[in-house]
Amino acid sequence: DAGVIQSPRHEVTEMGQEVTLRCKPISGHDYLFWYRQTMMRGLELLIYFNNNVPIDDSGMPEDRFSAKMPNASFSTLKIQPSEPRDSAVYFCATSERDQLSGANVLTFGAGSRLTVL
Amino acid sequence: LAKTTQPISMDSYEGQEVNITCSHNNIATNDYITWYQQFPSQGPRFIIQGYKTKVTNEVASLFIPADRKSSTLSLPRVSLSDTAVYYCLVVLWGSSNTGKLIFGQGTTLQVKP
Repeated sequence: DAGVIQSPRHEVTEMGQEVTLRCKPISGHDYLFWYRQTMMRGLELLIYFNNNVPIDDSGMPEDRFSAKMPNASFSTLKIQPSEPRDSAVYFCATSERDQLSGANVLTFGAGSRLTVL
Repeated sequence: LAKTTQPISMDSYEGQEVNITCSHNNIATNDYITWYQQFPSQGPRFIIQGYKTKVTNEVASLFIPADRKSSTLSLPRVSLSDTAVYYCLVVLWGSSNTGKLIFGQGTTLQVKP
C-alpha cells in the first residue's frame, strides 16, 4: 500500500482564494482524521470521519473550513476564503480499527504545507 | 477529560538512555496509551502502544504503572537520528461520549554528539 496520500504537498495562495486539500486514505481504514499543525498551536484535530460520516467537527476553526468524505477512498478539506492565519501544515491520518479508542494507530500522510499571502 | 502533559524539551547525548514521561491523570479505563515520533517536515509516526505494565519493541519500551496515570517512553542508547518531537496520545472523551484523539504539546528531544 502506498500509505496515506495527500495533495498538494505545497500550496501558496493569496488571501481570499479558495483552497482545497485532498487525502486518499489507506484502503480498509475506517477512520480518517484531519489535523493542522503550527508552531504556536501544535497539532490540532480539526475533524474526523468514521465510515465516511463526520463524527466530530468541533475543531474546525470557522465556517470558512469544510470537509467532506464522499466515499471511502477520498476526502477533501476546503478553506474558502483563505486568510493568512490559515497558513499551516495540514495532515490527514487514517486508522483501521472499527471503534475509536486509544488503541487506534494513526498513519499520517506527508502533509500539505499551505501558505496564504 | 483525558489530557496529556509532557516536558517541553529534553537534551541527551549519543549512547544514553532517554526516558520521557507523560501524565494522563484521567485516562479512560479501557483506553491505551500511544506514542508517536515526528521529524521535521514529516507527519508523526507510531512508535509504541500499551495498556499496562511494560511493552517493548525494536525501537523503544513503554512503562505504565498500575494506576495508569502516567507512562514513560524509554529510548535505549539514543543516536543523533533520534532527535525529534515525541508525543503521547490518549482519547479525549466528551460529554456526548464522542472521543477525540488529541495530541499534547510534545517533547522535543535533542541528541548531541
